[in-house]
Amino acid sequence: RKEVEQDPGPFNVPEGATVAFNCTYSNSASQSFFWYRQDCRKEPKLLMSVYSSGNEDGRFTAQLNRASQYISLLIRDSKLSDSATYLCVVPSYGQNFVFGPGTRLSVLP
Amino acid sequence: ETGVTQTPRHLVMGMTNKKSLKCEQHLGHNAMYWYKQSAKKPLELMFVYSLEERVENNSVPSRFSPECPNSSHLFLHLHTLQPEDSALYLCASSQVLPGGSGNTIYFGEGSWLTVV
Repeated sequence: RKEVEQDPGPFNVPEGATVAFNCTYSNSASQSFFWYRQDCRKEPKLLMSVYSSGNEDGRFTAQLNRASQYISLLIRDSKLSDSATYLCVVPSYGQNFVFGPGTRLSVLP
Repeated sequence: ETGVTQTPRHLVMGMTNKKSLKCEQHLGHNAMYWYKQSAKKPLELMFVYSLEERVENNSVPSRFSPECPNSSHLFLHLHTLQPEDSALYLCASSQVLPGGSGNTIYFGEGSWLTVV
């Protein structure tokens, strides 16, 4: 099993839709998790941190299920500007951060 | 945002050239990283320096040579690269917490490398 796996996508949704991505991880000892956003030909940027059962920031909600070892990201009322690749990140042993392959989202007008 | 800066942003080099990528972080972090991102592939960790000591080297070919002179600066020296090494090279930094776990990681804008 890969350390971090994500929905392959791409997700093509209309403006205003609600969309959810899933991420599964293999390291049961992981305590913190992150969602990053990467625009085309740009660097990844932190979107949300997830330390406990979940986190909410405006239209974005991240949830953590430790028993099943998965993290989800929910985006409500999608905007055109939400189009990007969303990366699930899990700190690994030592000072390593393991990145998932990413899920690409296209919000259509 | 200029927390992590990388130069050059774009680099074209021949297979016999020697060049270096430079990274500087202004966040007071104690760990720095080099990642490689090829087209349609996940980010691949290349090197990690924590407190200026290399703590991870993910079987990277010796034609890539990192250097970390202090906690704010990181270099990636490039020598006799191959065309398949063409990719986006991302520098990043984070603050390693007591116990060794990592906190949020911040990236520079990346250096686009083309090997011809």
